[in-house]
Amino acid sequence: DTAVSQTPKYLVTQMGNDKSIKCEQNLGHDTMYWYKQDSKKFLKIMFSYNNKELIINETVPNRFSPKSPDKAHLNLHINSLELGDSAVYFCASSQPLAVYQETQYFGPGTRLLVL
Amino acid sequence: DQQVKQNSPSLSVQEGRISILNCDYTNSMFDYFLWYKKYPAEGPTFLISISSIKDKNEDGRFTVFLNKSAKHLSLHIVPSQPGDSAVYFCAALVSGTYKYIFGTGTRLKVLA
Repeated sequence: DTAVSQTPKYLVTQMGNDKSIKCEQNLGHDTMYWYKQDSKKFLKIMFSYNNKELIINETVPNRFSPKSPDKAHLNLHINSLELGDSAVYFCASSQPLAVYQETQYFGPGTRLLVL
Repeated sequence: DQQVKQNSPSLSVQEGRISILNCDYTNSMFDYFLWYKKYPAEGPTFLISISSIKDKNEDGRFTVFLNKSAKHLSLHIVPSQPGDSAVYFCAALVSGTYKYIFGTGTRLKVLA
């Protein structure tokens, strides 16, 4: 019973292709996130959705488009893949119960390699 | 513009001794701090947190200390165990904004 799951785990593709990464959480959380961990191991937030609404949109190329069909899912679609998109992408979810009680639960990551 | 910094990329400690991992931040608006542990090929998992109204939080072998004036926090693991070997990330948050800012991580190796 994985709390936050991502598919696929590995993705190898050619430059210029379009690909999607799916994320699902079964924790009943309202908020979901996408992070990118690059070669320098920097874990940087890309997007956040709360109750299917976009609440955080960092400076990310518009080739990246998140889609939240419902509270339990947040998918990431990437158009025209570039070499620099190679990274590990983590999905996460959280449910702030009260102030100072927030934490995030992460998926296992999707390792994307663009050739 | 790295608002959360972990200046030690790696740390080796003997089993049974104390591990001290450090984290510095620059944004004085941060009021909630978290430590995550990450094993290879897995996502980060939550370890312990502290709010800015406290200066210490303890959970078993793990204690986090916060020095607001120095904008510094540290994670102490006592006693260290081989299973603690992982990458540790600190993260900071302005509560209610959902925007977690992570450091670059410190790789801890606990030697048996």
